[in-house]
Amino acid sequence: DIQLTQSPSFLSASVGDRVTITCRASQGISSYLAWYQQKPGKVPKLLIYAASTLQGGVPSRFSGSGSGTEFTLTISSLQPEDFATYYCQQLNSYPITFGQGTRLEIK
Amino acid sequence: QLQLQESGPRLVKPSETLSLTCIVSGDSISSSGYYWGWIRQPPGKGLEWIASIYYSGSTFYSPSLKSRVTISVAPSKNQFSLKVSSLTAADTAVYYCARCLQKADAFDIWGQGTMVTVSS
Repeated sequence: DIQLTQSPSFLSASVGDRVTITCRASQGISSYLAWYQQKPGKVPKLLIYAASTLQGGVPSRFSGSGSGTEFTLTISSLQPEDFATYYCQQLNSYPITFGQGTRLEIK
Repeated sequence: QLQLQESGPRLVKPSETLSLTCIVSGDSISSSGYYWGWIRQPPGKGLEWIASIYYSGSTFYSPSLKSRVTISVAPSKNQFSLKVSSLTAADTAVYYCARCLQKADAFDIWGQGTMVTVSS
């Protein structure tokens, strides 16, 4: 199985900050990586797929990059509605795996 | 607009079998370019993929659950289902059904989720 490790697991930031979350894969996964946002009690929302393609309707302050084993999700200027937990997910090969999540909280 | 809705019991006893159904509305479950899956999330924990099924009928399972899980599709009813046998408290979770966009290999539409508690 391909393991995905996110860092940090917890992040405290302020509105307007630029934040970056990293997802590292235990082996190369090309660009088969997606990012999701989940707010408490809510359904996960797809933000980015194929490492860097923004899902329709997602604000442009979100961006993704990387390939192989290291990927990043960047939020260019945090908005109040961005405080949530973020997960990466790979489908380079089965089984599908998710990272453990990064909880982004307001400082 | 495509919508997914999970249905099934909220409370099941240990050792029993859980049966969940995902009703798809707004599009055909047989449309090409998509496949379907189940993901679960124990309380306070992260997301765990369970199984996926393609419109061709091909199935894929999480190795840790494969011996206890079956995913199936019923195109005539526009729904797909999940069975999990030999339940324990560790299977207590919110269970989500989701559509996977094949070109993206990512789950773009999710059901609201159903909380399943395994307890006697």
